[in-house]
Amino acid sequence: EIVLTQSPGTLSLSPGERATLSCSASQRITSSSLAWYQQRPGQAPRLLFYGASGRASGIPDRFRGSGSGADYTLTITSLEPDDFAVYYCQYGWSFGPGTRVDVK
Amino acid sequence: QVHLQESGPGLVKPSQTLSLTCSVSGDSISSGDHYYTWVRQHPGKGLEWLGYISHSGTTFYNPSLKSRITISVDTSKNQFSLRLTSMTAADTAVYFCTTRKYYGSGSYGLDYWGQGTLVIVSS
Repeated sequence: EIVLTQSPGTLSLSPGERATLSCSASQRITSSSLAWYQQRPGQAPRLLFYGASGRASGIPDRFRGSGSGADYTLTITSLEPDDFAVYYCQYGWSFGPGTRVDVK
Repeated sequence: QVHLQESGPGLVKPSQTLSLTCSVSGDSISSGDHYYTWVRQHPGKGLEWLGYISHSGTTFYNPSLKSRITISVDTSKNQFSLRLTSMTAADTAVYFCTTRKYYGSGSYGLDYWGQGTLVIVSS
């Protein structure tokens, strides 16, 4: 069973700063099966990326997904107020534990 | 725009069976564009994939729940349902219905989500 680890657990940043979130799998995975989601408080998750770097509909280009093998990255190039949320990676049946991005 | 809405009891007694329904609007389940999926989130915790069903009724269940879970689809009502037996306090969670879309080249994503419904297991 693939286990996903996300780091850091919490990222405290200011609006306008760059956020770099990591997702590591316990073994090499196919990048086509890696997805990222954003969940704002009290809301359902929202698909950001499929296939590690395929941007879902309506996702702004300040969000970037990348990676291969066992290591994947979600980058938010310049944080906006709505971006402060929890971010999950997902592979197969597994979701990562999430990274919370909060306001510094 | 596809809209999903969960319905069902907010409170279930221990050992009882949970039944939730997801009503789909803005798309026909019969179109085959998606797999129809249930995900839950324990209070303050992360996401757990429960299972999904195709428009033709083929199911895939999380192995950790396989003996307790049934997902079904009713194309005439454009709905799909979750049944989870032998509920315990550990099943207290927000249950989301969502749609799994195939993007090609082996890529999938959960593209539409219901708002979620909180189910509490308590006597």
